[in-house]
Amino acid sequence: QKEVEQNSGPLSVPEGAIASLNCTYSDRGSQSFFWYRQYSGKSPELIMFIYSNGDKEDGRFTAQLNKASQYVSLLIRDSQPSDSATYLCAVNFGNEKLTFGTGTRLTIIP
Amino acid sequence: DADVTQTPRNRITKTGKRIMLECSQTKGHDRMYWYRQDPGLGLRLIYYSFDVKDINKGEISDGYSVSRQAQAKFSLSLESAIPNQTALYFCATSDRTGNIYEQYFGPGTRLTVT
Repeated sequence: QKEVEQNSGPLSVPEGAIASLNCTYSDRGSQSFFWYRQYSGKSPELIMFIYSNGDKEDGRFTAQLNKASQYVSLLIRDSQPSDSATYLCAVNFGNEKLTFGTGTRLTIIP
Repeated sequence: DADVTQTPRNRITKTGKRIMLECSQTKGHDRMYWYRQDPGLGLRLIYYSFDVKDINKGEISDGYSVSRQAQAKFSLSLESAIPNQTALYFCATSDRTGNIYEQYFGPGTRLTVT
């Protein structure tokens, strides 16, 4: 069974601080990893993907991948109230389908 | 105009009724997917299609069927709706960048079965 695990939260972070979201997955052969943001009642929106070990930065967002430890994380720098949402981690286990975690609810406190 | 559209956006139906949810895309993607989302359970894959002649079951296909009418259209049917099919349903399409398949979601259909 290929699984993706996330802490459901809620995770509360002060405005301007760094929010750190974590995700673990079950299969060492996993190929690519995605972070989606979902506002309440809306559809998931792709933030970024990563497939190589290390860090990938895009604006205030940084994805970090450690395949040996089977985790991927998302850092949000200078957190804003508009970052308050549920963040979904998704993993492609090599079959062109995505398996999603249940999401972490993030709240940015002004 | 949105790249991935879903109709209807909201639907209330009764137990035993047949209902169809429709998805259209203008992205030109070959791959299309249907998911349902329930509180605490995340997104779960119902069916997926890699082209018009290729339809595959996902992890929770029982009680559902699909039709890929064209590259741009992928419909989900509930043959006889039951209350535990009340959920938020999303259609998604997928594009390939190298070996990466990025999925893009439609706005969703909120279905209530009474």
